[in-house]
Amino acid sequence: GAGVSQSPSNKVTEKGKDVELRCDPISGHTALYWYRQRLGQGLEFLIYFQGNSAPDKSGLPSDRFSAERTGESVSTLTIQRTQQEDSAVYLCASSYRGGGNQPQHFGDGTRLSIL
Amino acid sequence: KNEVEQSPQNLTAQEGEFITINCSYSVGISALHWLQQHPGGGIVSLFMLSSGKKKHGRLIATINIQEKHSSLHITASHPRDSAVYICAVSMNYGGATNKLIFGTGTLLAVQP
Repeated sequence: GAGVSQSPSNKVTEKGKDVELRCDPISGHTALYWYRQRLGQGLEFLIYFQGNSAPDKSGLPSDRFSAERTGESVSTLTIQRTQQEDSAVYLCASSYRGGGNQPQHFGDGTRLSIL
Repeated sequence: KNEVEQSPQNLTAQEGEFITINCSYSVGISALHWLQQHPGGGIVSLFMLSSGKKKHGRLIATINIQEKHSSLHITASHPRDSAVYICAVSMNYGGATNKLIFGTGTLLAVQP
């Protein structure tokens, strides 16, 4: 596809379950970002991948959160033992390369609801 | 104090009005981004700038690096401009600049 693709678009799950969110970046984009937007709040940075470099995990809120990316392709964000405060829209973005002078292209997000 | 602050938080305008949204930041940056988020969540990058001024259609973005301030202007506003406008900065991390730090957004409603 032409844009960043995220799946699922919506996910409802029970507290305590694990969830996995997927992001397909734009082909050729080496940099990939995960952000979170909780209801009524601004966007928060979670994690950043750039090529084969070690990811910047400084935004992950707890050790229940992890993310992987193989090469310059798909990324998955995993939340273990979900809690109600994890309810949010999880947004993925990619850019042609890392660095602050690159526009980021956002997916439509995954809306996660924890019951 | 947030590293990126926007004003106003909410703005209602009549169709055709000139609109200004302001953004101030307190950290060293490599670039400033203006984003648009429509109801339903999709985010579109409007501008990325590190100096001066950029224009795209009815939208104009300016930045003053010395004053750490940026403005987004919308000329001849239209109801379809109604959205949340978000200011974000790419911070300097000893040369490795990556993640965005976001303002809380400005909710704009343009009434016909």
